[in-house]
Amino acid sequence: GAGVSQSPSNKVTEKGKDVELRCDPISGHTALYWYRQSLGQGLEFLIYFQGNSAPDKSGLPSDRFSAERTGGSVSTLTIQRTQQEDSAVYLCASSLFGGSLPYEQYFGPGTRLTVT
Amino acid sequence: DAKTTQPNSMESNEEEPVHLPCNHSTISGTDYIHWYRQLPSQGPEYVIHGLTSNVNNRMASLAIAEDRKSSTLILHRATLRDAAVYYCIRSGAGSYQLTFGKGTKLSVIP
Repeated sequence: GAGVSQSPSNKVTEKGKDVELRCDPISGHTALYWYRQSLGQGLEFLIYFQGNSAPDKSGLPSDRFSAERTGGSVSTLTIQRTQQEDSAVYLCASSLFGGSLPYEQYFGPGTRLTVT
Repeated sequence: DAKTTQPNSMESNEEEPVHLPCNHSTISGTDYIHWYRQLPSQGPEYVIHGLTSNVNNRMASLAIAEDRKSSTLILHRATLRDAAVYYCIRSGAGSYQLTFGKGTKLSVIP
């Protein structure tokens, strides 16, 4: 079946511009996650959506970052007034269940964001 | 913040078994061990997870030390497609975040 998809695959933007990154999770998955992976670094948690519960935004690095999930499906991560340090690969994942691990999180291919 | 320690890189010959070690000396009794891998230019992919007992699935085996301070991911027969960065992750009670370190870059030699 279809996996997690993300668009665009690559995005180059000028410093100060806003960007929107999209994630289409696997159909029926209740939980959705955004992570960030900087060059040569590990994975950094950004935000978690689970069903109709309030999202956990504790990993968002600044108030320039926001995310929403509409209708319990598609999610958009928005970065306002981009900075060069925002350059990274942004990964979306979804899972059938949420809450306490363990369960498998399915990752999309990521969006590579470059801020010039 | 869950901490694990892995070697930066390892090499294996194709069709040979590979043992990827992970140290998690401060693990608590309810922490799970997860392994994910990331092929070049792709998102991470789940491999296996376990708590206390050794685990097997179609991709790999996970051997967990009796004191749970370390574990080993075993690929029984490495193929070129197994060349990837392998991440060992601990998750504590109530956690849903996967926190990856730098992992082990596995190279498979034909």
